[in-house]
Amino acid sequence: GEQVEQRPPHLSVREGDSAVIICTYTDPNSYYFFWYKQEPGAGLQLLMKVFSSTEINEGQGFTVLLNKKDKQLSLNLTAAHPGDSAVYFCAVRQGGRALIFGTGTTVSVSP
Amino acid sequence: ETAVFQTPNYHVTQVGNEVSFNCKQTLGHDTMYWYKQDSKKLLKIMFSYNNKQLIVNETVPRRFSPQSSDKAHLNLRIKSVEPEDSAVYLCASSYWGGNQDTQYFGPGTRLLVL
Repeated sequence: GEQVEQRPPHLSVREGDSAVIICTYTDPNSYYFFWYKQEPGAGLQLLMKVFSSTEINEGQGFTVLLNKKDKQLSLNLTAAHPGDSAVYFCAVRQGGRALIFGTGTTVSVSP
Repeated sequence: ETAVFQTPNYHVTQVGNEVSFNCKQTLGHDTMYWYKQDSKKLLKIMFSYNNKQLIVNETVPRRFSPQSSDKAHLNLRIKSVEPEDSAVYLCASSYWGGNQDTQYFGPGTRLLVL
């Protein structure tokens, strides 16, 4: 079945810098991709949903890039601020209902 | 307020006890899920359920069972807890099909088994 590798596991950046998280998936039939943010003690907050037909998506303070050729999904936090400190997960869905999650990246943004 | 609600936030129990966690969604969705998040923060699906179909992850022990009264509620029952059941249990909901199939999560229930 589908497997999702996420890296790096930890990321420390200074406020104002950018940070990139990359997920690599295995199944070329995957067509829905998600990024979630989890703050300490909280559930998962949806950041963005990406369809396989769309390569670049911009959100508030971040950009998501889907590279279907290399089966990679990336999240670029632009101008990070302390409120971005959290654990970020990518997730992939195929024809089934369940999400297959990456292993998570803990991001720490220092002033 | 429309969202996914979970109770309790936190539960401590002893090995062998039975526990039940509640999940309710007010998003009008027709499908609900339970995920387990372990101590390394790894997330895995346990159950997917709508009124037509229950899909069980084959790795889930039989002491776990989902219980639903209607499409807005999906509770999780653990018949006899084991130490390895200590984790965060996350409930989610979505529509069954189409482009709206985005899963929204509750805040989680943290279980500690002593």
